[in-house]
Amino acid sequence: KAGVTQTPRYLIKTRGQQVTLSCSPISGHRSVSWYQQTPGQGLQFLFEYFSETQRNKGNFPGRFSGRQFSNSRSEMNVSTLELGDSALYLCASSLDPGRTSGANVLTFGAGSRLTVL
Amino acid sequence: GQQVMQIPQYQHVQEGEDFTTYCNSSTTLSNIQWYKQRPGGHPVFLIQLVKSGEVKKQKRLTFQFGEAKKNSSLHITATQTTDVGTYFCFNSGGSNYKLTFGKGTLLTVNP
Repeated sequence: KAGVTQTPRYLIKTRGQQVTLSCSPISGHRSVSWYQQTPGQGLQFLFEYFSETQRNKGNFPGRFSGRQFSNSRSEMNVSTLELGDSALYLCASSLDPGRTSGANVLTFGAGSRLTVL
Repeated sequence: GQQVMQIPQYQHVQEGEDFTTYCNSSTTLSNIQWYKQRPGGHPVFLIQLVKSGEVKKQKRLTFQFGEAKKNSSLHITATQTTDVGTYFCFNSGGSNYKLTFGKGTLLTVNP
């Protein structure tokens, strides 16, 4: 079956602009979670959506937002970009990460690498 | 919030040497997962531990979950160059959960 698809793979923006990233989960997976990966900070949790509802949110400013559609596809948006937003943004899908079972295993996409100039 | 600390941050070994990374939490974990990310790649699931004191093996990899479910370790015996990458521990599940990754251990192997 198809894996997790993230688009675009690479993008360059300038400070102050906004960006929208897309994530298509594995068919049947209702949960999509987003992570920011930078060399110094590892993988930091942004938010998680399940059945179109944001269930959990990490410690990121309000410039970071997301949503999930009825087909489970998810988008995240970063407004008023800052240099520090340069990172690899990873999304992961699962059946339900809130359960302690195989249903909580995350499958990651290849990521969207954002460079802010 | 729940914190998952992982050590060491970096580890360089000669091929054939053993390697261990540790994951520690101040609170009891409902489960612990381990992921591997190859350079330039994305994290890939390795294993999940759920039970207190659980030990699982995958070929040269041994995973342990502490008796108190507050720590976990990944041990690689006789490392190979294919083991290069960053190993992350991860916690999910439980009420009001946060999806928390450790910062990872970058393993490099000198052939």
